[in-house]
Amino acid sequence: DVKVTQSSRYLVKRTGEKVFLECVQDMDHENMFWYRQDPGLGLRLIYFSYDVKMKEKGDIPEGYSVSREKKERFSLILESASTNQTSMYLCASSRTETQYFGPGTRLLVL
Amino acid sequence: GQQLNQSPQSMFIQEGEDVSMNCTSSSIFNTWLWYKQDPGEGPVLLIALYKAGELTSNGRLTAQFGITRKDSFLNISASIPSDVGIYFCAGLSFSLSGGSNYKLTFGKGTLLTVNP
Repeated sequence: DVKVTQSSRYLVKRTGEKVFLECVQDMDHENMFWYRQDPGLGLRLIYFSYDVKMKEKGDIPEGYSVSREKKERFSLILESASTNQTSMYLCASSRTETQYFGPGTRLLVL
Repeated sequence: GQQLNQSPQSMFIQEGEDVSMNCTSSSIFNTWLWYKQDPGEGPVLLIALYKAGELTSNGRLTAQFGITRKDSFLNISASIPSDVGIYFCAGLSFSLSGGSNYKLTFGKGTLLTVNP
């Protein structure tokens, strides 16, 4: 079974803090993705990576950055968290078209 | 960019009823995927469709890849309480630009509530 894990299920941070969300997959997948999910807006792609040290902007990259130093790990970074970044963050990985999702991190920024 | 219109946005049904939801687009897709998301969890793949006209079943679920390649539907027969969740369609249209080959476009989801 494919396993995608995310470092935290719930996170509470203060405005202005630097936030790291970690994602690890154990299937040697080349592609990894970060989404945020908000009511009524569905899944929106923030960043994705198709190889180590490679990254591409998704649809809503502003306010976020990513890091992929190892194939199995894809990190999402909020340089200075803001209240409008309160959301559910989902990580996914894939070899081809089928993406496998982690359980999500629910982030609250106060 | 590409967009998927998923409908309905939400459904409230009685246990035992059949359910149908669909996704449409003005763009052509090469692959359609249907995911289910349980409350508080990440989406899980239900069915993948790879060819226009393909009809695929997974237990009580049936999905079809539209002939025009611009739409897909998902049916759930004889619904049960554990069918509750958000159902997402996702489409893939191949790009020749290497790394973005596997970027999916997602619908906004259909929230299904089943009354026991």
